[in-house]
Amino acid sequence: GAGVSQTPSNKVTEKGKYVELRCDPISGHTALYWYRQSLGQGPEFLIYFQGTGAADDSGLPNDRFFAVRPEGSVSTLKIQRTERGDSAVYLCASSVQGAGELFFGEGSRLTVL
Amino acid sequence: QKEVEQNSGPLSVPEGAIASLNCTYSDRVSQSFFWYRQYSGKSPELIMSIYSNGDKEDGRFTAQLNKASQYVSLLIRDSQPSDSATYLCAVVSMDTGRRALTFGSGTRLQVQP
Repeated sequence: GAGVSQTPSNKVTEKGKYVELRCDPISGHTALYWYRQSLGQGPEFLIYFQGTGAADDSGLPNDRFFAVRPEGSVSTLKIQRTERGDSAVYLCASSVQGAGELFFGEGSRLTVL
Repeated sequence: QKEVEQNSGPLSVPEGAIASLNCTYSDRVSQSFFWYRQYSGKSPELIMSIYSNGDKEDGRFTAQLNKASQYVSLLIRDSQPSDSATYLCAVVSMDTGRRALTFGSGTRLQVQP
């Protein structure tokens, strides 16, 4: 597709379960970002990939969160032992080289019961 | 102190008026500044970028940057009801060494027909 694609669009899970969120960036974009957004807040940075490597993972809140981008295209955000506080919209964005002009996907809304 | 601060609003203006949205940032060496628009339930989309002091105009939008005062603003001329959205200010902050955008919490704009 032409834009950033995220799946699933909605995920409801129970506390303690494992969740994977997928992002397919715009073709040719080397930089990929994960943010999460809670109601009434701006997007909060989680991790940034340049190619296959995590260039900056300083925003990951704890070791329950992990993300990969093995082939430099699709990325998966993995959350272990989910907690109710993890409930948010998880946004993926890509850009040509890693600058501020980001193209966002529609997000994955995660609800932890 | 938050890195990027915005008044949450709502800012209400009549149709046809000028809407003025303001943003301050804490890192003196921030270099890149962006305004994103986010409609309710949608993901952010880039509307303006500005990198040097002064004004930058694009259609009905004007971004203004004053690095000495550490603020950036967005003016929307001839405001339309379709401009009603949350406007997110974002910066690349060299202080944190992060090459990803740091977002403010956004200002909600309501344009009254």
